[in-house]
Amino acid sequence: DTGVSQNPRHKITKRGQNVTFRCDPISEHNRLYWYRQTLGQGPEFLTYFQNEAQLEKSRLLSDRFSAERPKGSFSTLEIQRTEQGDSAMYLCASRQAGGASYEQYFGPGTRLTVT
Amino acid sequence: ELKVEQNPLFLSMQEGKNYTIYCNYSTTSDRLYWYRQDPGKSLESLFVLLSNGAVKQEGRLMASLDTKARLSTLHITAAVHDLSATYFCAVDGTSGTYKYIFGTGTRLKVLA
Repeated sequence: DTGVSQNPRHKITKRGQNVTFRCDPISEHNRLYWYRQTLGQGPEFLTYFQNEAQLEKSRLLSDRFSAERPKGSFSTLEIQRTEQGDSAMYLCASRQAGGASYEQYFGPGTRLTVT
Repeated sequence: ELKVEQNPLFLSMQEGKNYTIYCNYSTTSDRLYWYRQDPGKSLESLFVLLSNGAVKQEGRLMASLDTKARLSTLHITAAVHDLSATYFCAVDGTSGTYKYIFGTGTRLKVLA
């Protein structure tokens, strides 16, 4: 399977705990995006990597959030001291820079529930 | 700041009927994307529209893009129950990053 994969698919955690999500992009894609989608809303941009460099972060990404993409391959998104407001679907997408369509390919998402 | 608005937000329609979903955006962009999302699932790509006047069709769905009017439409022909889902449009209006700005979504329910 050459699509974008995300793990875990579901995560239930208690408020105050730390969680980490992983995204594996399509192998030849050098751009990777994280989005967050709360219930009934459209996805919102969180952050973006080109290779291993994190080039943009949304103001939605508070100090409790950190994302990395070591070696320009998979990426992790960590949330520290989770809050109930962090409950959402976290979507990862990737694309190849210079591609004709600029299309991003989305993974299946990680659904986080903070109790 | 780029804004993307869809209307209607909710749409309940009978099988066999036609309807159009509208997507308006606030800044210049030549690229617009339509996605389908089923409850609890991720985004399924429907159409990629890359230039003014682009029109694409797949089955009962047809999408078009008017960059001068900053408007895209998603037309549903002879709706069937299987089309029930939420539909999002997205625009990548920021050069360099090309991050997507999504619309508010249109929740479609097709009644048998």
